Amino acid sequence: EDQVTQSPEALRLQEGESSSLNCSYTVSGLRGLFWYRQDPGKGPEFLFTLYSAGEEKEKERLKATLTKKESFLHITAPKPEDSATYLCASSLFNTDKLIFGTGTRLQVFP
Amino acid sequence: DVKVTQSSRYLVKRTGEKVFLECVQDMDHENMFWYRQDPGLGLRLIYFSYDVKMKEKGDIPEGYSVSREKKERFSLILESASTNQTSMYLCASSLSTEQFFGPGTRLTVL
Repeated sequence: EDQVTQSPEALRLQEGESSSLNCSYTVSGLRGLFWYRQDPGKGPEFLFTLYSAGEEKEKERLKATLTKKESFLHITAPKPEDSATYLCASSLFNTDKLIFGTGTRLQVFP
Repeated sequence: DVKVTQSSRYLVKRTGEKVFLECVQDMDHENMFWYRQDPGLGLRLIYFSYDVKMKEKGDIPEGYSVSREKKERFSLILESASTNQTSMYLCASSLSTEQFFGPGTRLTVL
């Protein structure tokens, strides 16, 4: 069964304390791996798409990487405004549907 | 920038009422999606559409129907609302795989 699993469920960091969020996927044919940010009570906001193992993308304090089995979202020197739930999703060949993980809720304290 | 709008941010309805949730996108995207999001369950796909007047069931279509009469508009219909349909409803659109979400509608069924 195609599945996306995120860990940890929740992460508390001190401002400036770098860390990584994990997204592991077991899918029959990965077309793309997506990261979204979701603030409470709002819709997910698109961050990155990764297509092949070894690919990396960066945006401000965030860097996403992809291997053949998992993706990491690295957060360098986080700030309180980085607090949000981060969602990972995969898409398969021959479909435009996404399979979502349940997210990692990140809290960054000053 | 892609803009996806949803007709209501908050909605309160009574059990048995017919409920319409509307979604409009302004980027001429072919694909549109309806999800519900519940704590611990993540985003679950209800219905999606690849073209006008075309619809396909997602993972949890029971109790819902959809309508797509125009390319930019995708409506979710709850024929007879029940308390277990209390949830956050999210609409998304895409050209291929990257989906862009609306702000969500928080529906409460009493």
